[in-house]
This record gives sequence, structure tokens and C-alpha cells, in this order.
Amino acid sequence: DAMVIQNPRYQVTQFGKPVTLSCSQTLNHNVMYWYQQKSSQAPKLLFHYYDKDFNNEADTPDNFQSRRPNTSFCFLDIRSPGLGDTAMYLCATSRSFEGVPRYTFGSGTRLTVV
Amino acid sequence: GNSVTQMEGPVTLSEEAFLTINCTYTATGYPSLFWYVQYPGEGLQLLLKATKADDKGSNKGFEATYRKETTSFHLEKGSVQVSDSAVYFCALLTGGGNKLTFGTGTQLKVEL
Repeated sequence: DAMVIQNPRYQVTQFGKPVTLSCSQTLNHNVMYWYQQKSSQAPKLLFHYYDKDFNNEADTPDNFQSRRPNTSFCFLDIRSPGLGDTAMYLCATSRSFEGVPRYTFGSGTRLTVV
Repeated sequence: GNSVTQMEGPVTLSEEAFLTINCTYTATGYPSLFWYVQYPGEGLQLLLKATKADDKGSNKGFEATYRKETTSFHLEKGSVQVSDSAVYFCALLTGGGNKLTFGTGTQLKVEL
């Protein structure tokens, strides 16, 4: 089945140690997103790619970076994770369906910073 | 800016009870509205959507009606099952945009 796959499902990293989360898709969707979801909070958009065009949200910390080497893959890099970065990170793709973007989400990577 | 407000959870119901989860929104223009469901350990799945006023979205026995006059999109189900236990997110998308704005989610627990 076509889908959005995130690896790893669980990641523990040390305070200040760089970490990379990965996302791949077999849907060939041109838009990819990274959301951060802290416990009991709404998912918050960090950035998205429209094809190769990178769009950063104004309040996304500089500590968070992203790469999209091709249509299928997108990476989230956290350069110096802090304890407050402990969260679920959700990758999503979208395509237009009847004029409205239809999202497909991955299962998420639960990151714990210790 | 855009925002979505949901009732706080957890909501605990007995099987076959009636479910309502309230959702109201603030947005410029005429947003599309969505309900997503997140089962334990999984990502978000689209449950239903409505793209214009008075539209009713429905799926798997769940329904929600886009009420422009009250800026609401309440989720309802006539008879819940244990398998409906999950977190439900209301979300909106403004015209011409790609970015979803989510509510904080409402956890539903259905017991036998």
C-alpha cells in the first residue's frame, strides 16, 4: 500500500546531541510537512516543502532544520535538542483532492530527550 | 489568526452511548473543516470533512455539520463502540492554503 513511513518509531537522544528523523513516501505527493505534537497539545506545523521549495513557520526554532533530497524523502534535523523538544514528530504529505489538500500522515516518531 | 477550540477530555462513555465532541473555530474567509482520529501509537487519519457551509461530513457512523452561523463543526455518533477509543482532532484549512490548524484533541474512552 502507498503510505508515509517514519523511522524510527521511538528515539531517545541526549541533551545537545544532534538527531535526525526520517520520513519517506510512496504516494508521489509534492507537498511534505513536519509537525511537532507535544503531550496533550495540538500538532504544530514546523515547516513544509512544496516540491523543493522550503517553507519555514515563523515561530519554528532555528534548532530545527529540514532536508528534502528528492520527492520521496524528507528529514528533520534537530541540531542541539533540549528537554523541551521531547515530543511526537509527525510527517505528512498532501495532494489536492476535489480542490482541497488531502493529507496522509505517518505513524510518527516519538522523540525523548534525556 | 486561525484557531480551533475543542472540548477538553477525556470523555468516558459506555458502549452504545451517544457521542458529541464540540468544536468551534475562528478563521478568515471560508475554511474547510476536518475531523482526524489518532489511535494509540498511530498517526492521524482523516475521519471526515466538510468544505462549505451546511455540508455534512460522515464516515464510520460519525457525522459533523459545518455551521457557519455558529462557527462550529461538532462531531457526533449515535452509538459508540470500544474500538472508537482514540483521540479526536478538529482541524481547519483556509482557502488556497496547505496548512492545517488543529485543535488540542479530545480523548475518547469507551467502556463495556
